[in-house]
Amino acid sequence: GEDVEQSLFLSVREGDSSVINCTYTDSSSTYLYWYKQEPGAGLQLLTYIFSNMDMKQDQRLTVLLNKKDKHLSLRIADTQTGDSAIYFCAESGAGSYQLTFGKGTKLSVIP
Amino acid sequence: NAGVTQTPKFQVLKTGQSMTLQCAQDMNHEYMSWYRQDPGMGLRLIHYSVGAGITDQGEVPNGYNVSRSTTEDFPLRLLSAAPSQTSVYFCASSYGRGSGNTIYFGEGSWLTVV
Repeated sequence: GEDVEQSLFLSVREGDSSVINCTYTDSSSTYLYWYKQEPGAGLQLLTYIFSNMDMKQDQRLTVLLNKKDKHLSLRIADTQTGDSAIYFCAESGAGSYQLTFGKGTKLSVIP
Repeated sequence: NAGVTQTPKFQVLKTGQSMTLQCAQDMNHEYMSWYRQDPGMGLRLIHYSVGAGITDQGEVPNGYNVSRSTTEDFPLRLLSAAPSQTSVYFCASSYGRGSGNTIYFGEGSWLTVV
């Protein structure tokens, strides 16, 4: 089946930029998403990118998509302690309702 | 605007007991689904429905039943709970196929089977 891979942990200092990476295998992926999950909470959609785009910026968040390499990244500028959470990469294929999730990257922000 | 509502938020079951996790959405979404989240495993699709009266299996359907008698509700049933079903369960809904940002998740249901 299709697969989405992420590194499991990332640790950054407050004020630095964080870059969370994701690779996927489904060449027909239409939408790629980043979700944030804080401890004991549900999933919050942070941002998404359509597969015909290569970059999307939303305030402190920048998403980069390299469709040729099937690589997605999420950059968080000026990382704050409130950004500490698990970040999930997910994709949905063309004409599909279903999401395939990565295992999540736990971001720890050091004060 | 309630969005996607899941109940209960926390539940402890004994092995062999049955229970139903409730999911309701008030956005007239045609697509609803159930995921389970386990440590280090991400979210895995259990069952999904593309409309009232239509359900299908996801990646990990064994031990779970679903039905979709109305557009609003999509309950998940555990007929005979097993410790392996200890997990966090998320219900999701979306308006249509390949919907981009219109995929909404509930707050989760934490289930422990002892």
